[in-house]
Amino acid sequence: YELTQPPSVSVSPGQTASITCSGDKLGGKHACWYQQKPGQSPVLVIYQDNKRPSGIPERFSGSNSGNTATLTISGTQAMDEAVYYCQAWDSSIAYVFGTGTTITVL
Amino acid sequence: EVQLVESGGGLVQPGGSLRLSCAASGFTFSSYWMSWVRQAPGQGLEWVANIKQDGSEKYYVDSVKGRFTISRDNAKNSLYLQMNSLRAEDTAVYYCASDHDFRFDYWGQGTLVTVSS
Repeated sequence: YELTQPPSVSVSPGQTASITCSGDKLGGKHACWYQQKPGQSPVLVIYQDNKRPSGIPERFSGSNSGNTATLTISGTQAMDEAVYYCQAWDSSIAYVFGTGTTITVL
Repeated sequence: EVQLVESGGGLVQPGGSLRLSCAASGFTFSSYWMSWVRQAPGQGLEWVANIKQDGSEKYYVDSVKGRFTISRDNAKNSLYLQMNSLRAEDTAVYYCASDHDFRFDYWGQGTLVTVSS
């Protein structure tokens, strides 16, 4: 089972960034998203498709339907520059991570 | 505050062994599945193994089956990964992570394992 993400997304400060994650019947699995900044450990930003852990800003949101999960960052800030990974669980392979998307705030 | 602190990484020759440890605090360790996740230099994340709360169930990614063993000691709030027959492709930062409802809520800072002659 594979999860495919675009390698990079560029966004202007204050604008909306969207990252897609594609996988077979992904909408039927719970998707989550992690943010990883250089030299740091990943941080969970979205779980169960669209829930935010405590402490994660409201500008982070998620959706999941069909074969695609989407992470949306509204009002993107410079501090949001990072690599973002989607992740799902599948009975055939247990946990699988997406290929990762680098968000650049120009 | 939840803390996961990995240790035990280092340089090892191909075919060698290493044992990683993860010390947990700030949450009820014995109530959580726990996982090891690795990240090769400049690469993405890869789940390696996980273990049930009481240690009765363990699962591994195919590439490490038969070589790696995950274990835990709930009395010591500790998670372990015994790695044998190490290969160059096992070179990575290894993270321990709390494993809950098919997601990883908390991550350690990672420990680097380098397999090279």
